[in-house]
Amino acid sequence: RKEVEQDPGPFNVPEGATVAFNCTYSNSASQSFFWYRQDCRKEPKLLMSVYSSGNEDGRFTAQLNRASQYISLLIRDSKLSDSATYLCVVNQDGNNRKLIWGLGTSLAVNP
Amino acid sequence: ETGVTQTPRHLVMGMTNKKSLKCEQHLGHNAMYWYKQSAKKPLELMFVYNFKEQTENNSVPSRFSPECPNSSHLFLHLHTLQPEDSALYLCASSQRWTLASYNEQFFGPGTRLTVL
Repeated sequence: RKEVEQDPGPFNVPEGATVAFNCTYSNSASQSFFWYRQDCRKEPKLLMSVYSSGNEDGRFTAQLNRASQYISLLIRDSKLSDSATYLCVVNQDGNNRKLIWGLGTSLAVNP
Repeated sequence: ETGVTQTPRHLVMGMTNKKSLKCEQHLGHNAMYWYKQSAKKPLELMFVYNFKEQTENNSVPSRFSPECPNSSHLFLHLHTLQPEDSALYLCASSQRWTLASYNEQFFGPGTRLTVL
């Protein structure tokens, strides 16, 4: 099993749609979780951290399910500018420092 | 503008060449990282420097040699590379190498390396 696994997509959705991505991780000792965004031919940038109780930032909602070892990202009212690859990132183990990156899920929002 | 710059942006080199990648951060951070991003593969951590000291070497072949002269500058020296080393090499920085939950990483634009 991969340490961090994501559905690579691509997800093609119309503007205004709601889209959800899931990510599973293998190490139950992981404690820190993030979603990064990477635009085509650009560097990754932090989108949001994922907290135990779930958290929201505008149109974006992140959830953590420790029992099933997955995190999710929900994007509401998709914009054209949301088109990017979304990277799931998890710390490797209890030492809470080294990050393990997923392959990313590609999203294309169409007019 | 992320505050992390990398040069060159593109590099083509032969297997017998020696070249260096440069990274500079203007964010006052104390930790710097080299990552490799290959097609169809996740981002791979190569090296970590925290307060100029190397704290992680993720089983990287010796043909890659990092150097961190100060907290703002990071180099990756390359020699006798293989075609499979062709990839995007990303530099990143963060406040320090510590609890990941407090440690957003800021990336440079990367160097696209092609080894012939």
